[in-house]
Amino acid sequence: QVQLQESGPGLVKPSGTLSLTCAVSGGSISSSNWWSWVRQPPGKGLEWIGEISHSGSTNYNPSLESRVTMSVDKSKNQFSLKLTSVTAADTAVYYCARANLNLDCWGQGTLVTVSS
Amino acid sequence: EFVLTQSPGTLSLSPGERATLSCRASQSASSSNLVWYQQRPGQAPRLLIYGASSRATGIPDRFSGSGSGTDFTLTISRLEPEDFAVYYCQQYGDSRWTFGQGTKVEIK
Repeated sequence: QVQLQESGPGLVKPSGTLSLTCAVSGGSISSSNWWSWVRQPPGKGLEWIGEISHSGSTNYNPSLESRVTMSVDKSKNQFSLKLTSVTAADTAVYYCARANLNLDCWGQGTLVTVSS
Repeated sequence: EFVLTQSPGTLSLSPGERATLSCRASQSASSSNLVWYQQRPGQAPRLLIYGASSRATGIPDRFSGSGSGTDFTLTISRLEPEDFAVYYCQQYGDSRWTFGQGTKVEIK
């Protein structure tokens, strides 16, 4: 059974770069076509950030595209998210998820706060 | 821009009652890409329904999905205590995912 686990700093300074990693266990990152990032500001709804395939192809939310970079590391069975020039509006719980025509497996989420 | 609008924003019901949640797309959407999730407080979302009407593994049969085109519905036939949560619809199209804003099902 595939499990996902997000990791990364819980506090990022304004104008800095948010960096998160999602470790995939119980299966190979190459076994699924796409892997996604979704975020949820406190008390608000879900926002899709983007997705990456095991071969490195990407699709990003147009509203975030200029600041987002995703990458995959097959040797470590993990994928990553970088979001640049962060502001308080980027404070959210960040989830990684497996995408197979739906997001059928999710990490537990990690809270990232943007504050000085 | 593709938009999913969920209604109502909040549904106040009692255990045992029937819940009907709506998800309306701003343009015709493929049923195969319409998904519903449940999110309980403090938890990650959980896949409920995919392809508009297929239940995900382990989802009780009191949950059902229907609809096509621009109008989709999630029905919970008899609410159990653990069903009080927020529900999101989601659509995949043009190489991107779009979420509705969510419907909260709360205890009356």
